[in-house]
Amino acid sequence: QVQLQESGPGLVKPSETLSLTCAVSGYSISSGYYWGWIRQPPGKGLEWIGSIYHSGSTYYNPSLKSRVTISVDTSKNQFSLKLSSVTAADTAVYYCARKGSSTSPDYWGQGTLVTVSS
Amino acid sequence: DIQMTQSPSSLSASVGDRVTITCRASQGISNYLAWYQQKPGKVPKLLIYAASTLQSGVPSRFSGSGSGTDFTLTISSLQPEDVATYYCQKYNSALGTFGQGTKVEIK
Repeated sequence: QVQLQESGPGLVKPSETLSLTCAVSGYSISSGYYWGWIRQPPGKGLEWIGSIYHSGSTYYNPSLKSRVTISVDTSKNQFSLKLSSVTAADTAVYYCARKGSSTSPDYWGQGTLVTVSS
Repeated sequence: DIQMTQSPSSLSASVGDRVTITCRASQGISNYLAWYQQKPGKVPKLLIYAASTLQSGVPSRFSGSGSGTDFTLTISSLQPEDVATYYCQKYNSALGTFGQGTKVEIK
């Protein structure tokens, strides 16, 4: 059974960098698939932040591209998100998910709330 | 960059009513379209993929149709447990862009 689990600080100060990790179990990241980050501000809709292919190629939402870095660590079977220069507008539940090249996401993490506040 | 536009943003209907939600893609996406149901505090649940294929375990009152740029999610007989927000998502690339969501309530 594939499982994804997000981890990272629940509180980040404005202007700092948000860092999250998604640990994957039950499947080797290096075997394939896109691995993505999605976020949902409180009371708002879902936003796809970006994805990384198992080969390391990255794809970012144009609206966030200048601030986002997604990386993968195949030795630990996990991938990570960094979002720089955060503001209160970046407060959201952050999800990680697995997505095929032409299939919808089939496994999601439970999500982690990150609050941006001083 | 393909945009997904859903309508309406919210609706209120009576139990037993037929409910329809539409989703339009700014460019053709063939049938690479999924529909999700999300209840407060929960992870989105996949209802339909490939525009019209019902995910295993999803009640048959849910159905999807469309191809290209125009898609529809239909609930044939609205039930109290269907109160939720529904999202469409295109997945024909590495970025799985979502629609803005449609909040469904009981009248």
